[in-house]
Amino acid sequence: DIQMTQSPSSLSASVGDRVTITCRASQSISSYLNWYQQKAGKPPKLLIYQSSSLQSGVPSRFSGSGSGTDFTLTISSLQPEDFATYYCQQSNSSPRTFGQGTKVEIK
Amino acid sequence: QVQLVQSGAEVKKPGASVKVSCKTSGYSFRTYAIHWVRQAPGQRLEWMGWINTGNGDTKYSQKFQGRVTITRDTSASTAYMELSSLRSEDTAVYYCARDVEYRETYVYDYWGQGTLVTVSS
Repeated sequence: DIQMTQSPSSLSASVGDRVTITCRASQSISSYLNWYQQKAGKPPKLLIYQSSSLQSGVPSRFSGSGSGTDFTLTISSLQPEDFATYYCQQSNSSPRTFGQGTKVEIK
Repeated sequence: QVQLVQSGAEVKKPGASVKVSCKTSGYSFRTYAIHWVRQAPGQRLEWMGWINTGNGDTKYSQKFQGRVTITRDTSASTAYMELSSLRSEDTAVYYCARDVEYRETYVYDYWGQGTLVTVSS
């Protein structure tokens, strides 16, 4: 199975901050990397697919980049509703594995 | 609108089985696969398996092979996940998710609300 590792596991930031989360795959996954946002008690919500494509309805302050084994999710200006846990997921091969999550907390 | 509505929370004893349902609406059920993903407390999301809702074919994670069975009832637009020989480590929130092809990749675009399964003696 492909192992997905996110960093950091948690971070504290203020409204308006630029936030970057990284995700590393244990082997090349081309651009088959998705990002999900999960708020407490809710199911995950798709933000970005295929590394950099924004899901319909997701604010443009979210962006993704990367290919091969290294990927990033960037929030250009953190908003109050963005405090959540973010998961990367590879869809290159089965099983589609997830990272351990990055919890974004209020500073 | 697309909805996936799961059955309610369950409390089970070790060794028992649990069957969780995922009733879909707002789209053609047989068009998209349904996957099951679980999340134990404080743990990452973990893929369990999926069903081709058109022909009923299934594929399971090796971790759960032999203990998990995913089925569907096309007349009810509902998918089911049954997990047997439950142990305390199976305490988790279980999600169903719709699998959609976006360009060259597959993503989960809609999810059920989650079903908490607690395994305790």
